[in-house]
Amino acid sequence: GNSVTQMEGPVTLSEEAFLTINCTYTATGYPSLFWYVQYPGEGLQLLLKATKADDKGSNKGFEATYRKETTSFHLEKGSVQVSDSAVYFCASISSGSARQLTFGSGTQLTVLP
Amino acid sequence: DTEVTQTPKHLVMGMTNKKSLKCEQHMGHRAMYWYKQKAKKPPELMFVYSYEKLSINESVPSRFSPECPNSSLLNLHLHALQPEDSALYLCASSQEGSSLSGANVLTFGAGSRLTVL
Repeated sequence: GNSVTQMEGPVTLSEEAFLTINCTYTATGYPSLFWYVQYPGEGLQLLLKATKADDKGSNKGFEATYRKETTSFHLEKGSVQVSDSAVYFCASISSGSARQLTFGSGTQLTVLP
Repeated sequence: DTEVTQTPKHLVMGMTNKKSLKCEQHMGHRAMYWYKQKAKKPPELMFVYSYEKLSINESVPSRFSPECPNSSLLNLHLHALQPEDSALYLCASSQEGSSLSGANVLTFGAGSRLTVL
């Protein structure tokens, strides 16, 4: 079945620092990949997605590229803001059941002013 | 309207109480989901409704009872819960009743935070 392995947190950065959160996946076939963000006290919001190899998803200054050769979908942002403080979840579509998102463990990001 | 609305936002109940969580969407989505999320963990799928019929039940205890009265509404009825059931309960929906994909993504509500005393 599918699995998603996500960089352990928590991650603490200063404002305007460069962010990378690593995510790798295992899957049969070619899954669609997602990053969701959960701000404090809220539900999950779709941040970006990619559906095939070499696709780049981007939103709000965040980017992630679907790398089939390294089975990775790392999240990056060039200059983080305090408002980016949240928990970030990498996810893929399960091949075993196409109704299920397989989530990574989540990475808590705190950005200090 | 691009939102999934959940009520109540917070609920405290005793182990003998009966309560319900409610979820509503007006995006025309035909699949609706309940997830349970413990602190600092990813969401865990509980139930999926497709075209108002229960299609997935992830071996959830019978003290949780879902109901889908129509395509816009999803309820979760709670009875005789345990303290370990305290969690954030997330509702989600997706456009099609069929498979999730890169085009058919989940939209989540803000959640109902449940505390069982």
